This record gives sequence, structure tokens and C-alpha cells, in this order.
Amino acid sequence: RKEVEQDPGPFNVPEGATVAFNCTYSNSASQSFFWYRQDCRKEPKLLMSVYSSGNEDGRFTAQLNRASQYISLLIRDSKLSDSATYLCVVGDNTDKLIFGTGTRLQVFP
Amino acid sequence: DGGITQSPKYLFRKEGQNVTLSCEQNLNHDAMYWYRQDPGQGLRLIYYSQIVNDFQKGDIAEGYSVSREKKESFPLTVTSAQKNPTAFYLCASSLLSRTDTQYFGPGTRLTVL
Repeated sequence: RKEVEQDPGPFNVPEGATVAFNCTYSNSASQSFFWYRQDCRKEPKLLMSVYSSGNEDGRFTAQLNRASQYISLLIRDSKLSDSATYLCVVGDNTDKLIFGTGTRLQVFP
Repeated sequence: DGGITQSPKYLFRKEGQNVTLSCEQNLNHDAMYWYRQDPGQGLRLIYYSQIVNDFQKGDIAEGYSVSREKKESFPLTVTSAQKNPTAFYLCASSLLSRTDTQYFGPGTRLTVL
């Protein structure tokens, strides 16, 4: 089983749609969780950290479910500019960040 | 204007040559990292450094070397011993520990001819 698993997609959604991605992790002792966004041929950029109580930043909502060992990212009112690959990143208890392979989102007009 | 810079953006290398990729940060971060990204794979850690004059091997260190003589700089040398060096190389930094938020430079795309 991979340490961090994501559905590669692509998720093709129309503008204005709501889309959700899940990411599962294998190490139950993982301590920190992030979502990064990566545009084609560019560097990853931090989208948001994920906190135990869940957190929201505008149209983006992140949730953590420790019991089932997954994190989720919800994007409401999708924009064309949201088209990118979304990387799930998990910090384990050995002080290491594990990167998922990413979920590709394509928003169409 | 704080950030991480990498140079060059594109690099072409002949087989058997060593090349050095530059990474500089002015964020006053203690920790710096080198990753490589290949199509369809997650980022893989090559080397990291949590303090000046100290660095540790990551998961795929073979064929690479680094130095950390200054807090701001963490150059990566891709040696001729690296069997499949064509990849996208990303440098990152974080404030203190490896599980702190990491911020990435724009990357160097290395192609071996």
C-alpha cells in the first residue's frame, strides 16, 4: 500500500461545480497534513494546511478524518483558474513529508 | 521580496558530465531540501539540510551530492553516477523541521542528451 494515495483523475467539471478530492494515508501516527496546488511544469504551491477541526479558505474546505486516515479537499464554485494538479502531502512521525502523486482537475467553460 | 530562486530553469547535459543546480533562499529558513519529480510519481527527496554544514541523505541520494556552506544556499550536483538524471528538480525550504510547511523554488528541468 502506498504511504499516500490519491486518485490521479482527471476530474473534468464545468465552471461553477463543486468537486471533492480524497487522499488516504497509511501511517496512523502522521502529524501534519497539507494540500498543494501544482500547475503544469511549475513548482507546487501551498494551498492550505489541514487542521484536525477542518478549515476553510474562501471556496476551499479541507477536512481530516484520523479514524479513517484520509484528508479531503472540497472546491466550491469551480473557476477555470482552478485547473491544476492537487497534491496531498502528509508529515509522518519520523519527521518526513510524503507527497502524493496528485489529482488532476480540469474545469471547462 | 522573499522567496526561493533556482537556476538555471532549463539545463542540458551530456552523458558523463557533472552539473550543479543552484538554489538560494532569502526567507531565513533553517531547513532546505532537494526533490526530483518524474511523470506520474510523487516528489522524491534527494537530500535535505536542517542546519549549515550539515545535510542528510533522502530516499534517492545515489548519484547526487550537496553542500550547505551558507544558510541561504543549497546547491545540488548531479554526478555522472546518476543513471537516469532527466527530471524536474525542485528545491524547497522550511522554517525549522521537515514537517513544517515547505516552500518551493520554480524548479530546474534537467535533460540528458
